[in-house]
Amino acid sequence: GAVVSQHPSRVICKSGTSVKIECRSLDFQATTMFWYRQFPKQSLMLMATSNEGSKATYEQGVEKDKFLINHASLTLSTLTVTSAHPEDSSFYICSARDGGPANVLTFGAGSRLTVL
Amino acid sequence: AQSVTQPDIHITVSEGASLELRCNYSYGATPYLFWYVQSPGQGLQLLLKYFSGDTLVQGIKGFEAEFKRSQSSFNLRKPSVHWSDAAEYFCAVEGGGAAGNKLTFGGGTRVLVKP
Repeated sequence: GAVVSQHPSRVICKSGTSVKIECRSLDFQATTMFWYRQFPKQSLMLMATSNEGSKATYEQGVEKDKFLINHASLTLSTLTVTSAHPEDSSFYICSARDGGPANVLTFGAGSRLTVL
Repeated sequence: AQSVTQPDIHITVSEGASLELRCNYSYGATPYLFWYVQSPGQGLQLLLKYFSGDTLVQGIKGFEAEFKRSQSSFNLRKPSVHWSDAAEYFCAVEGGGAAGNKLTFGGGTRVLVKP
């Protein structure tokens, strides 16, 4: 089946630095990928829709300049948390849609970001 | 706007007992409905989905769910729970149109399994 890989799985950074998280579709091409954020013991909140070759679409309340999304190829989307602060600490999960008729999203294993 | 409600935040069940997780959705048309399971620190695994047709859907790991349009519900069931079923379960709805095929999740239900 479709596989989505995220890297790194865990990252710790200092406040004020930037962190990049990669999301790759390993055996399929994904023109659209989705980035979610999950706080401890809470549900997943959609942050943005990443579109290959064009700008990402951000959900209301998500800072575009804070969370930079680049979808440069059909198999890779990156999320960069710029000037990270402790409140950005969270679990970030990406997903991608295999273009088959089932319309099912495949999720990555997530990336836990801790900002000190 | 589409929304999903999972009324139960926590459920504790004995191993071998049956399990039912509730899910209610709000959407203007017939939605696509999903149940996902998440183990601690992990991503989401799809248990089952409903797009159309038979309202009783079979999934992996012995789970099933029933779509009831009249009740706007999509409850998840398992006849006999195993200790490995302890996890967080999310119901989700996907809608088109203005929702742009986005997946909206419920708040999740944490299942604890007693020996």
